[in-house]
Amino acid sequence: TQLLEQSPQFLSIQEGENLTVYCNSSSVFSSLQWYRQEPGEGPVLLVTVVTGGEVKKLKRLTFQFGDARKDSSLHITAAQPGDTGLYLCAGPRHAGNMLTFGGGTRLMVKP
Amino acid sequence: DARVTQTPRHKVTEMGQEVTMRCQPILGHNTVFWYRQTMMQGLELLAYFRNRAPLDDSGMPKDRFSAEMPDATLATLKIQPSEPRDSAVYFCASGLGKTSVHADTQYFGPGTRLTVL
Repeated sequence: TQLLEQSPQFLSIQEGENLTVYCNSSSVFSSLQWYRQEPGEGPVLLVTVVTGGEVKKLKRLTFQFGDARKDSSLHITAAQPGDTGLYLCAGPRHAGNMLTFGGGTRLMVKP
Repeated sequence: DARVTQTPRHKVTEMGQEVTMRCQPILGHNTVFWYRQTMMQGLELLAYFRNRAPLDDSGMPKDRFSAEMPDATLATLKIQPSEPRDSAVYFCASGLGKTSVHADTQYFGPGTRLTVL
């Protein structure tokens, strides 16, 4: 069974601070995705990383895929209240188009 | 702006009642997923359809849950009879179903918040 563990589970910070959240597995994934879910909405894809060691940037968000393709991190620079939400990592299961989701990191950015 | 739609957005019912949740996937998408989300368990996959055929429902309690796709524009998830432990947010997602080793993007609906009293 491919499991994804996310840490921390909860994070509360002040506006302007930097933060990093992690997604780890003992299994190798061909790719990993990060989704953000805002209160009352469904998850929305932020990025897909496909190459070991890959770094992708999306404005103030930096995503990294581990060299061994077993882990990924999301770094947010100068967090803003609009970054508040649940951040989920996901990886493809062995067969089909199904995804395995991590438990998520719930981020709150206070003004 | 194509979106997955779900109805109802909220449902409060009593234990033992039948609940039906509906989903309209994005036109042209050929994969549909049903998920259940709770604080304790996170996002759990209940069912997966490809080209309207059910391919995986191993995450779904078979005795009371059923999922169908009567046509390409409608997916349904039924619970009969409902129980308080079924209280959760139920999400539908659809995707293009690209055949690739890499993760395919899933587009989620806004969810149905179910409360069973």
